Amino acid sequence: EAGVAQSPRYKIIEKRQSVAFWCNPISGHATLYWYQQILGQGPKLLIQFQNNGVVDDSQLPKDRFSAERLKGVDSTLKIQPAKLEDSAVYLCASSLGDTYNEQFFGPGTRLTVL
Amino acid sequence: GQQVMQIPQYQHVQEGEDFTTYCNSSTTLSNIQWYKQRPGGHPVFLIQLVKSGEVKKQKRLTFQFGEAKKNSSLHITATQTTDVGTYFCYLVTNDYKLSFGAGTTVTVRA
Repeated sequence: EAGVAQSPRYKIIEKRQSVAFWCNPISGHATLYWYQQILGQGPKLLIQFQNNGVVDDSQLPKDRFSAERLKGVDSTLKIQPAKLEDSAVYLCASSLGDTYNEQFFGPGTRLTVL
Repeated sequence: GQQVMQIPQYQHVQEGEDFTTYCNSSTTLSNIQWYKQRPGGHPVFLIQLVKSGEVKKQKRLTFQFGEAKKNSSLHITATQTTDVGTYFCYLVTNDYKLSFGAGTTVTVRA
């Protein structure tokens, strides 16, 4: 079974630039999550989708971050404009059902904002 | 809002020794999950606990959910170098709020 795919794996940008991350969850997984993991901290949930609907985006900085889930499968997370404090690993995860299920994580995208 | 405390933040263990990491929530939980993240890797699911007082074992790992469903522990016996990594608890509240703990980073000296 293929795992969660993410791209790119690494990205370096300057502050005020834009960046987009892509995630392809495990086939058949209804729930998709985006997390931000700053070095030395636990992952912080940014947004949770159930199929193509948003379940929770309460911690998403909506003035600069946006996310969508195309047709309930792939998802993109965008940052525009980026700030220095956005430097982190962005993790995508998916789960078969709802919030109670184990999550499968992708390898993450390491973002460096200069 | 919900607060999560995971202790200790760091655990330096002699190979062969036992240790325990604890996760405490300010609110009652629906369930709790534990994940392990190796250095440079991504979180990997270990276990899910749902019932009050539940105890589950995976080889040398023992997971426990508190009676009040507000805390949990992970106990590792006879630590090996393969146990190196950061162990996170993942909390699910009754109103579906999700959060990771800050993690316990484990290093092992041979």
